[in-house]
Amino acid sequence: GAGVSQSPRYKVTKRGQDVTLRCDPISSHATLYWYQQALGQGPEFLTYFNYEAQPDKSGLPSDRFSAERPEGSISTLTIQRTEQRDSAMYRCASSPGLAVQETQYFGPGTRLLVL
Amino acid sequence: DQQVKQNSPSLSVQEGRISILNCDYTNSMFDYFLWYKKYPAEGPTFLISISSIKDKNEDGRFTVFLNKSAKHLSLHIVPSQPGDSAVYFCAASEANFGNEKLTFGTGTRLTIIP
Repeated sequence: GAGVSQSPRYKVTKRGQDVTLRCDPISSHATLYWYQQALGQGPEFLTYFNYEAQPDKSGLPSDRFSAERPEGSISTLTIQRTEQRDSAMYRCASSPGLAVQETQYFGPGTRLLVL
Repeated sequence: DQQVKQNSPSLSVQEGRISILNCDYTNSMFDYFLWYKKYPAEGPTFLISISSIKDKNEDGRFTVFLNKSAKHLSLHIVPSQPGDSAVYFCAASEANFGNEKLTFGTGTRLTIIP
């Protein structure tokens, strides 16, 4: 596609429910990142994929958070048993590869509100 | 532990003048630095970057300066234009980890006054 897309753009859920967020990266991009951005803060790294491999999950806040990219393209981020502190903007980014000079292209984000 | 700090949440500059956005970092392992620009309802977009082997990188109206000894970088925009009004994020990475784990600052909202 022309850019990184994310769905849904907004999600309101009740505490305790599971949510799944979706990211469609730029089609030729090998690497995909998930970030969490709290209000008034910058994006914070959650995890990344190189194709379908997930070399680093160190930013995931708890075991309630998981991400998949089974075919090396679309990725999902699932939050189980959501809590109010999970409310944030969740941003996906993709880049052609892992080299430090490779630009990360961000999607518009999914704003999650947990009531 | 905020490893990348942008101490000015907002900045207003007259159109045509120079805008200077500042960023400080604490992690001495950071060796690649980036600036991203964000408009409302959009994701951040890459603006300019600098490697630690340089102290200056210029791209049109945008110049990034890096002072490694002070662990400080700045973005200069000259001349400033109304379309530059946006939130600017400073980000850093450790090259030996590749491109993952960009660490972002909290952002500075720049407003260009016509």
